[in-house]
Amino acid sequence: AQSVTQPDIHITVSEGASLELRCNYSYGATPYLFWYVQSPGQGLQLLLKYFSGDTLVQGIKGFEAEFKRSQSSFNLRKPSVHWSDAAEYFCAVVPTTSGTYKYIFGTGTRLKVLA
Amino acid sequence: DTGVSQNPRHKITKRGQNVTFRCDPISEHNRLYWYRQTLGQGPEFLTYFQNEAQLEKSRLLSDRFSAERPKGSFSTLEIQRTEQGDSAMYLCASSLGGQIHEQFFGPGTRLTVL
Repeated sequence: AQSVTQPDIHITVSEGASLELRCNYSYGATPYLFWYVQSPGQGLQLLLKYFSGDTLVQGIKGFEAEFKRSQSSFNLRKPSVHWSDAAEYFCAVVPTTSGTYKYIFGTGTRLKVLA
Repeated sequence: DTGVSQNPRHKITKRGQNVTFRCDPISEHNRLYWYRQTLGQGPEFLTYFQNEAQLEKSRLLSDRFSAERPKGSFSTLEIQRTEQGDSAMYLCASSLGGQIHEQFFGPGTRLTVL
């Protein structure tokens, strides 16, 4: 079955430190890939997406993600974390054969930022 | 572009009661999705509309759940005879048609069943 794994449930980093959030998917072909952020009381906001082409994708708020086909991964990175980045982050995939383009989400990673 | 809106934002009900949620998508978006998110989990797909046609329903959507999008604009999600296990955040999202486009999410409706 298609699935998305975010192995880290919680991550704590100090403000100014670098960040990497992991995402692995299980699917036969390269899916469409997304990262969303969810802050308390807010809807899910798209950070970045990968459909094809350059495997290093730039997003909003200084985030980037790298697609690695050999590892079935799409890890999210930020070189210097700000206190406002504290939130929950979700990786999502859409199988390219999906006619409805519904998302399959990972379980999320909750980021805590220490001052 | 006012974004996706959902009403109510919070709903507390007693077990056995019926509840209805509303979602207003971004006006030019013809795809509309409902997801359910429980504590500590990612959102799970419930159902999908292309214009007014409901094209897919998850097996999570029991016969107590019904969704409509009568004019291809707003959508409603009704839960009949609510159970405590229905307590969750219900998220609505919309996207453009054609090829794949990112989904824009509303703030959600948090349902608590007592």
